[in-house]
Amino acid sequence: NAGVTQTPKFQVLKTGQSMTLQCAQDMNHEYMSWYRQDPGMGLRLIHYSVGAGITDQGEVPNGYNVSRSTTEDFPLRLLSAAPSQTSVYFCASSPFPPGTSGRGEQFFGPGTRLTVL
Amino acid sequence: AQSVAQPEDQVNVAEGNPLTVKCTYSVSGNPYLFWYVQYPNRGLQFLLKYITGDNLVKGSYGFEAEFNKSQTSFHLKKPSALVSDSALYFCAVRDRYSSASKIIFGSGTRLSIRP
Repeated sequence: NAGVTQTPKFQVLKTGQSMTLQCAQDMNHEYMSWYRQDPGMGLRLIHYSVGAGITDQGEVPNGYNVSRSTTEDFPLRLLSAAPSQTSVYFCASSPFPPGTSGRGEQFFGPGTRLTVL
Repeated sequence: AQSVAQPEDQVNVAEGNPLTVKCTYSVSGNPYLFWYVQYPNRGLQFLLKYITGDNLVKGSYGFEAEFNKSQTSFHLKKPSALVSDSALYFCAVRDRYSSASKIIFGSGTRLSIRP
């Protein structure tokens, strides 16, 4: 299994450009989520999904869109990039929402480092 | 609303000494609690969880954590630190009775183990 994969690893955008960060998992996990990591802020939840066709907002959803058309893929879209979106983005997946059915572990991808100029 | 706090940005410990990384939480109901570790330029890795049952939870790499409901804490501990334990540690919480499946992470604590 490849686990959770993210592309690209690095990206530089200009203000106002759009792009999609890709996330895929091959573990048949229902729960997937996107986080951003900023110094001193820890990980903040952007959006999450409990299954194909179902998404919901996290702590910092503004400026980001998601969709979940398949179990495997959970892309994150930046419609009009802003310098405040410069960050490292992590995608994660787990069989169920963390804690449900006694399970806890989320599997994280390697991250995408995004810079918006 | 749920929240989690890690009051120390950095913890410095000598190799062989016990270590503690602190975490306190706030939820309206009962919590699910987690610890993750992040090594440089890597994604997070799961260490341990508290779901229910024994308050002392054992996890990977010799780490353990104690759930204290009265103090709303879930501190991470290890009896004898290794240099290889140096990393960034995150505590996370989910309100088990919330209809939303959100998990909230703390700001992280950088653990530095000196030889």
